[in-house]
Amino acid sequence: DTGVSQDPRHKITKRGQNVTFRCDPISEHNRLYWYRQTLGQGPEFLTYFQNEAQLEKSRLLSDRFSAERPKGSFSTLEIQRTEQGDSAMYLCASSVQETSTDTQYFGPGTRLTVL
Amino acid sequence: AQSVAQPEDQVNVAEGNPLTVKCTYSVSGNPYLFWYVQYPNRGLQFLLKYITGDNLVKGSYGFEAEFNKSQTSFHLKKPSALVSDSALYFCAVRDRNNFNKFYFGSGTKLNVKP
Repeated sequence: DTGVSQDPRHKITKRGQNVTFRCDPISEHNRLYWYRQTLGQGPEFLTYFQNEAQLEKSRLLSDRFSAERPKGSFSTLEIQRTEQGDSAMYLCASSVQETSTDTQYFGPGTRLTVL
Repeated sequence: AQSVAQPEDQVNVAEGNPLTVKCTYSVSGNPYLFWYVQYPNRGLQFLLKYITGDNLVKGSYGFEAEFNKSQTSFHLKKPSALVSDSALYFCAVRDRNNFNKFYFGSGTKLNVKP
């Protein structure tokens, strides 16, 4: 399968614990995005990488959130000291930079439940 | 501010009938518009996009969408619905001044009944 993959698919954690999610983009896609989706809502932009550089972060990304893409391939999203309000689906997307019209392709998401 | 509105939380249609899922947008300048579909426990799948040119855009699975600048709309359509089209549909707009950002609507649940 050459699509975007995410791991794990589901994560249940207790409040206060740290969690880390991984995203593997489509091969040769140099752009990578993280979104958060809560029930009944569309995805909300969190952050964006071009190659290994994190170029933009949403105000939604509090200090407890950090994302990396160390070699310009896979990316990780870490949430420290999780809160119940962090419960959501975390989606990763990738695209290849052609023009400003490149299409984002999404992974299946990681569903986080904070107890 | 950029935004997308999907005025219907749910659309019900009988199999074989035409379907329309509505989307309106608010952006500065000309928009880049997208439709995605989400099946249960799966990520969003790209259906189609409007960048420029012909106002009628054809996409995957027989879907099409019509860009209407005067009404700031980008409604998704299909001439004959299938039960397998039942899913959650999201309209999105991309900011031409900030290509990194997509703004998604809240989604419309399409129910196609046999």
